[in-house]
Amino acid sequence: DTAVSQTPKYLVTQMGNDKSIKCEQNLGHDTMYWYKQDSKKFLKIMFSYNNKELIINETVPNRFSPKSPDKAHLNLHINSLELGDSAVYFCASRAPLAGGQETQYFGPGTRLLVL
Amino acid sequence: GENVEQHPSTLSVQEGDSAVIKCTYSDSASNYFPWYKQELGKRPQLIIDIRSNVGEKKDQRIAVTLNKTAKHFSLHITETQPEDSAVYFCAASRVGGTSYGKLTFGQGTILTVHP
Repeated sequence: DTAVSQTPKYLVTQMGNDKSIKCEQNLGHDTMYWYKQDSKKFLKIMFSYNNKELIINETVPNRFSPKSPDKAHLNLHINSLELGDSAVYFCASRAPLAGGQETQYFGPGTRLLVL
Repeated sequence: GENVEQHPSTLSVQEGDSAVIKCTYSDSASNYFPWYKQELGKRPQLIIDIRSNVGEKKDQRIAVTLNKTAKHFSLHITETQPEDSAVYFCAASRVGGTSYGKLTFGQGTILTVHP
């Protein structure tokens, strides 16, 4: 009965590689987010999709490309990985925007280490 | 854009004492203020939230106060227990409009409760 799930949980890779992280939610939510948590624990939003449409795109290198095949899934593809991309990436989802529910539910995180 | 400052960065208390964490925000249009707790290696989880039409909200040992005029809000934990030890994040967002629930987080407070 996992609400928001992410795969993989851990990802260790070499600089220059391309990798993807997947997120799925079974809450029936319309809006999903990607956050990055750096080594100092700072949480910063990267992207958000609402019903498969990109609605938030923060200042993120274009090596990062989100994709939402349907409203239950939001994936993150990263090209040409750099050392500074090492972080924990959290997916989150939220109930429909017009529903008055603001709570964002986070996935377990994907710990990415770039060597 | 919104900027959220959180203090202190670390807080150490004895079991049974109270703990207070403070946040200030910059965007007067922000109207939703959640607090998240993140245990080591785990996902952030919502513990309490407040909207700008309310000055205070309480849930058992946890309370949040909001001063809209001064643009600051605080988390109060009474009768602290060792299991309260975690990183606590405040956040701010604007409900409705084109904000799409974008959360801006504070820098986090590492709370340690000593038995």
